[in-house]
Amino acid sequence: AQTVTQSQPEMSVQEAETVTLSCTYDTSESNYYLFWYKQPPSRQMILVIRQEAYKQQNATENRFSVNFQKAAKSFSLKISDSQLGDTAMYFCAFMKSYGGSQGNLIFGKGTKLSVKP
Amino acid sequence: DAGITQSPRHKVTETGTPVTLRCHQTENHRYMYWYRQDPGHGLRLIHYSYGVKDTDKGEVSDGYSVSRSKTEDFLLTLESATSSQTSVYFCAISEPSSPLHFGNGTRLTVT
Repeated sequence: AQTVTQSQPEMSVQEAETVTLSCTYDTSESNYYLFWYKQPPSRQMILVIRQEAYKQQNATENRFSVNFQKAAKSFSLKISDSQLGDTAMYFCAFMKSYGGSQGNLIFGKGTKLSVKP
Repeated sequence: DAGITQSPRHKVTETGTPVTLRCHQTENHRYMYWYRQDPGHGLRLIHYSYGVKDTDKGEVSDGYSVSRSKTEDFLLTLESATSSQTSVYFCAISEPSSPLHFGNGTRLTVT
């Protein structure tokens, strides 16, 4: 069974600074996807970034980038130039890329990020 | 919101009553899911569907049933609600090997 661990329940960062959120996972699969979702106080779940395990290049989306270390089973999210609107819960998630359970996201328990002015 | 509507947005019900939550999509995506979100647990999969009339259980399916008679609708039913089912319920949709897109959630309180 796959598990996803986010070891930082809460973090804070000053506006305009950089912060890194940690995520580790455990799987015996070789083909899978990893995601970061953001949940602001509005409760909406918003996809931040996606990484395919077969790609060595780390994914980036504007101020958001990941450090994907497949051998270490680590998938951290870096937020550059933090903005007040980045305040949210951030969830790391794992998904197998084939088979009957394709599309079943396994979530970590989340990291609550507060961006301070 | 990727064309996903959950109804109702909020519901308060009494222990032992049946409850049905509805998820409607306009994206014609193949997969639909029901998750519940609880403090300290993140999101956990209840049931999912990979086509009309094709459903399967997730991690926390006890006490829940689902139905999908049309591509666009996925219903979650609590046959006899219990206080442990107080939660926020999210519907999600996806195509194969694509990210899940979530609805805005339904907050259910069982008193």
